[in-house]
Amino acid sequence: KQEVTQIPAALSVPEGENLVLNCSFTDSAIYNLQWFRQDPGKGLTSLLLIQSSQREQTSGRLNASLDKSSGRSTLYIAASQPGDSATYLCAVRRGGNKLVFGAGTILRVKS
Amino acid sequence: NAGVMQNPRHLVRRRGQEARLRCSPMKGHSHVYWYRQLPEEGLKFMVYLQKENIIDESGMPKERFSAEFPKEGPSILRIQQVVRGDSAAYFCASSPPGTSGGDTQYFGPGTRLTVL
Repeated sequence: KQEVTQIPAALSVPEGENLVLNCSFTDSAIYNLQWFRQDPGKGLTSLLLIQSSQREQTSGRLNASLDKSSGRSTLYIAASQPGDSATYLCAVRRGGNKLVFGAGTILRVKS
Repeated sequence: NAGVMQNPRHLVRRRGQEARLRCSPMKGHSHVYWYRQLPEEGLKFMVYLQKENIIDESGMPKERFSAEFPKEGPSILRIQQVVRGDSAAYFCASSPPGTSGGDTQYFGPGTRLTVL
């Protein structure tokens, strides 16, 4: 059974700081891994999707890496801004199209 | 191209009533997924449907819950005889036909169900 763990559960940083969110999964047989952002009371916004054959993906100030063999992914956010405050969710996809989510990291960027 | 639409956004039911949650996938998408997010927990997969077919319902509770995606119209998640433990945010996602392991699922804004 695939399990996804995210560390830390919550993070508070001053504006401008670079930060790393961690995601680990127990079964390395995945199709892809996806990072989402969820704002309070809102839906999910896809940030980055890394295919199982890829090592990393970048979008603006975001960089996500994937190490399948060790069952780990990191989301790096450069020069954090208050608008980055949200819950960040990691999800892996195995067979059958369903996503298995971690519990998320609640990020607060203080101005 | 409108995103995934869900309605209602908020739904209040008393114990024992029925709840019907609707999801209209993105235009051109024929795969629909339902996930549930309980308070203070991550999202959990419930069911995966294609038009007129349930593909994977391994995450659905055995009783009171059902889902459909008819040939015409939105996908419906139905909860009969709701209990307080059903209070959660229910998210729908969709993906295009021919979805393979590499495709993104696009999520709707969710329906927040409160059972009194």
